[in-house]
Amino acid sequence: DAKTTQPPSMDCAEGRAANLPCNHSTISGNEYVYWYRQIHSQGPQYIIHGLKNNETNEMASLIITEDRKSSTLILPHATLRDTAVYYCIVRVVNGGSNYKLTFGKGTLLTVNP
Amino acid sequence: NAGVMQNPRHLVRRRGQEARLRCSPMKGHSHVYWYRQLPEEGLKFMVYLQKENIIDESGMPKERFSAEFPKEGPSILRIQQVVRGDSAAYFCASSLQGADTQYFGPGTRLTVL
Repeated sequence: DAKTTQPPSMDCAEGRAANLPCNHSTISGNEYVYWYRQIHSQGPQYIIHGLKNNETNEMASLIITEDRKSSTLILPHATLRDTAVYYCIVRVVNGGSNYKLTFGKGTLLTVNP
Repeated sequence: NAGVMQNPRHLVRRRGQEARLRCSPMKGHSHVYWYRQLPEEGLKFMVYLQKENIIDESGMPKERFSAEFPKEGPSILRIQQVVRGDSAAYFCASSLQGADTQYFGPGTRLTVL
């Protein structure tokens, strides 16, 4: 799987949009971008994933650049409960044996009142 | 639709005892993965199982650790003769197919005294 780079920490004001960047410059054509988060002491929570098109669900939006070398996870209206470590993971889906998720250090997002 | 269930949530063992961690996947999921998170570290893949089969145990320590996913019942991660270094959070995830999105349970926190 391609390596990802994320800032170690970010701050966001409650109610504002949180934009979390991820660089994956060595991503291959068949690799998806996945986002998970881990709220303190809890299990990782799946957020969203995408291949090349922008994606949106009830939790967040995922914007992937045209060259797919980077992406941004957007939490449109951050709340205090969104404080967590956010992980950007690149993996092959629908084929191959890349079922292992490789978690890096992620970004600690702190939402402030 | 119940999520991934793990029990116990907290487990305390003395050195040399055995620890058994259980994981019930989401309904309809037949693929189970175990990850370990040591204190202040990221999650590391341990083992991947399908019903009655171990697919990949490359991340599991060679000694004292074993995993199973029987035809009936939960997946079990067994640690024999625990040592203090086994103290960690153990997370189970499940997926519908091997390359699909993995959904995590709340984890079992093992403390070895």
